[in-house]
Amino acid sequence: EAQVTQNPRYLITVTGKKLTVTCSQNMNHEYMSWYRQDPGLGLRQIYYSMNVEVTDKGDVPEGYKVSRKEKRNFPLILESPSPNQTSLYFCASSLTGTGVKNIQYFGAGTRLSVL
Amino acid sequence: EDQVTQSPEALRLQEGESSSLNCSYTVSGLRGLFWYRQDPGKGPEFLFTLYSAGEEKEKERLKATLTKKESFLHITAPKPEDSATYLCAVQARQGGKLIFGQGTELSVKP
Repeated sequence: EAQVTQNPRYLITVTGKKLTVTCSQNMNHEYMSWYRQDPGLGLRQIYYSMNVEVTDKGDVPEGYKVSRKEKRNFPLILESPSPNQTSLYFCASSLTGTGVKNIQYFGAGTRLSVL
Repeated sequence: EDQVTQSPEALRLQEGESSSLNCSYTVSGLRGLFWYRQDPGKGPEFLFTLYSAGEEKEKERLKATLTKKESFLHITAPKPEDSATYLCAVQARQGGKLIFGQGTELSVKP
């Protein structure tokens, strides 16, 4: 089954404790992206990757890191989480970054709480 | 600044009562406009993509249209299972960035 898998689904942590949210897709997609969703602000893009070793900032990249060493994986790293990073996070992937095949498929989400 | 605005924020309909959701956008060179459906606690699910003014797409009770400044999602004779939040997103020419609107929360009562 074609899917985007995020882990963990729920995470409670404390300020300053480094964490990684994993994202994996099994569709051989070139493009992957991370979003956060907050009430009243909608979905905002954090980082995206057009292909392996190619990443770029979205609208809200501060406090986050990403890497794309393999085509299928795109982990989101919070080096020193803060309470304002409490949010619902989604990973997405698509065949390409632009054009008619840029249909982004989303994971089920990771709900993060930073105390 | 690239921007997407959806209206209304919330819409309550009776079953069978047709209506439309609006998505207006300002973007420097539209690459594509996307409609998604999001159920509570789940990730957005792709519905439609539109690329040029005048284009229309249909799926069951939903029909999406696109002009140079806005898109409409028409819902004909909705059913309670159509209740969800509908998200609109645009992709600008530069890079793969998607810009989402805040969504319209649709509730359809039997």
